Amino acid sequence: DAKTTQPNSMESNEEEPVHLPCNHSTISGTDYIHWYRQLPSQGPEYVIHGLTSNVNNRMASLAIAEDRKSSTLILHRATLRDAAVYYCILSGGSNYKLTFGKGTLLTVNP
Amino acid sequence: NAGVTQTPKFQVLKTGQSMTLQCAQDMNHEYMSWYRQDPGMGLRLIHYSVGAGITDQGEVPNGYNVSRSTTEDFPLRLLSAAPSQTSVYFCASSPRTAVSNQPQHFGDGTRLSIL
Repeated sequence: DAKTTQPNSMESNEEEPVHLPCNHSTISGTDYIHWYRQLPSQGPEYVIHGLTSNVNNRMASLAIAEDRKSSTLILHRATLRDAAVYYCILSGGSNYKLTFGKGTLLTVNP
Repeated sequence: NAGVTQTPKFQVLKTGQSMTLQCAQDMNHEYMSWYRQDPGMGLRLIHYSVGAGITDQGEVPNGYNVSRSTTEDFPLRLLSAAPSQTSVYFCASSPRTAVSNQPQHFGDGTRLSIL
C-alpha cells in the first residue's frame, strides 16, 4: 500500500477554517484518496474521498494537488464536534482494506 | 437507519473462554469487515467478506473465525481468548466490493478485555 504522511497534531479555533494536509508521494494512478475521522470512543466516520478532482460535500472539501502527491482536507468552519483524529488513506484497484496510519489529532479551541 | 450495529459494547473474558462479537447492518451492503484497534496503532484488518457465503483473511486473522450466512450479519468468533486479543473491535460495511471507491460505514466498536 502507498504510504501517507500527516502531522501528528494540529490546533484550530472554533468557527475558523482548518486545513489538514496529507502527503502521498508514492500514490499510484488508481489510488483514491480517502479521509476518515474518529471521535473519542467512536468508530471511524467517513468524511470524503476523491481521485483527481477537488470534491465537496456537506462535511468538508478535499483539495487534491495537480500531481496528486498531496491533498488537503478543508473544514470550512470548525466546531467543537470536529475535534477528532483525522486519517488520510489511499485505496486503489481491487484493494479490500483501508490501511489506517496514526492520523492527525485535531484540537478545536472554543 | 441503524447503520452498522455491534454488540456487546463492552465485554470482559477470562483466558481460554470463547465468545462471539455480533455485527449487523441494515443497508444491504455486500462488503463487511472486522478490524481491531490497539493503543498507538492504526486499525488492522482481521477478516472480511464480499458477500453471503464468502469470507477471507485480512492482516491479523489468527485466533479469530468468521462466517457470513446472511447479507446482514457478520459475526466474529474468538474460540479461545488470549490476553493479546484485548482490543477494540470495529465492524465495517460498504455497498460494493470495490472498496477503493466506496465509503465504509463503521460501527461504534466492542471493547474487549481478556484477563
